[in-house]
Order: sequence, then C-alpha cells, then structure tokens
Amino acid sequence: QKEVEQNSGPLSVPEGAIASLNCTYSDRGSQSFFWYRQYSGKSPELIMFIYSNGDKEDGRFTAQLNKASQYVSLLIRDSQPSDSATYLCAVNSVSGTYKYIFGTGTRLKVLA
Amino acid sequence: DGGITQSPKYLFRKEGQNVTLSCEQNLNHDAMYWYRQDPGQGLRLIYYSQIVNDFQKGDIAEGYSVSREKKESFPLTVTSAQKNPTAFYLCASSVQSDPRETQYFGPGTRLLVL
Repeated sequence: QKEVEQNSGPLSVPEGAIASLNCTYSDRGSQSFFWYRQYSGKSPELIMFIYSNGDKEDGRFTAQLNKASQYVSLLIRDSQPSDSATYLCAVNSVSGTYKYIFGTGTRLKVLA
Repeated sequence: DGGITQSPKYLFRKEGQNVTLSCEQNLNHDAMYWYRQDPGQGLRLIYYSQIVNDFQKGDIAEGYSVSREKKESFPLTVTSAQKNPTAFYLCASSVQSDPRETQYFGPGTRLLVL
C-alpha cells in the first residue's frame, strides 16, 4: 500500500516565525506533489504544487522536493495566526490509475 | 462564478436508508472524485470518474455507488450496506485525470446517522 506520512502535530510556532511542515512518501514513481490547507470544518484548498526537485516559492510559501529522499516540505515564512490550520500533503499515484494519496495532515498553530 | 457545489451541507441518515449526496461543477473538468474524511484522518478515495458514463472504484468503495451521466454531475449514494457512514464527504474535480492536474474541492457534505 502506497503511503504518504505526515507528523500529526500540533506544530506550534510564534507569530512571525517560519513554520516547517514535512511529508514523506513511499511511491518512487510519484510525479506530482501538492500541499492543501484545511481549516476546521472546511474543505481543503490548494496552497502549492511542485513537480521538480528543488524549491518553489509563492509569496510566503516555499515547497521543497527531494525525490531521492522521497521527501517534500512546506515552509511558511512570517507565520500569521490565520495560517493556523491542518496542512495536507498529497502525492499522485502512477500505478496505472490517476489517484491522489493524501497524508493525514499536520495541524499548525500560530501563536499570537 | 466557476466552482464545485455540494449539497446538502448536512445530511442525516436513518438506519437502513439510502441517501444521495450531490456534486456539481461548472469548471468544465473531465475528472471528478469522491473522498471520505474521518476525524483526524486523511482523505480516502471512494470513487472517481475520468469521463462521462465511466467510473472506477477507489480504496473504500464498498457500500457506495455513483453515476456519471453528465460531465457536470457526479452524485454519490451511500447505501444501507455502508455500516459506518458518519463522515465528511468531499467531492473534487480536475481538468483531466492526469497526475499533474490539480484537484479542486467542493465545500463538503457532513453525513450523520440518526
């Protein structure tokens, strides 16, 4: 069973700090990696996607991918209380079907 | 506004009853998906459809059924065979069923058992 693993947290960071969220995956053939933010009781919303090794930056968010280590991370700079949410890592599965596998999410708490 | 709508927001099911959750999208997306989310858990795929009149079972299809008669619509029926249906149900869609295409989610339906 292909898996995506995340630390459930909560990860607590002070306002203005950098939050670092990590995700590992088991399927070496995975091609696409997504970070979603999910507020309590709401549906996930896309934050970032990354396909290639290295870093991808979008505003305060940076996604980092290391395919050799099967590791993807999300950095949130200048964390704000409004960033407090659960962050879901999703990885595509390329085993003949187009399915995304989601981690259980990391709960982030930004302390004012 | 383009988007994905799900209805109802809350749904109550009596024992032995089938209930249907609606999902509609006006994004002209080819692929649609149904996920189930339980507290503290990730999303688990129930069914997905890449084109009209075709759909595939996901990881937890037992006790559920779907149809895809129109591109815009992908309703999910929770049958009486699903013994533990209480969960948050999420519908998603993407441009085409391609590993690089982003999935976008509807607002969700929370199903509760009376």
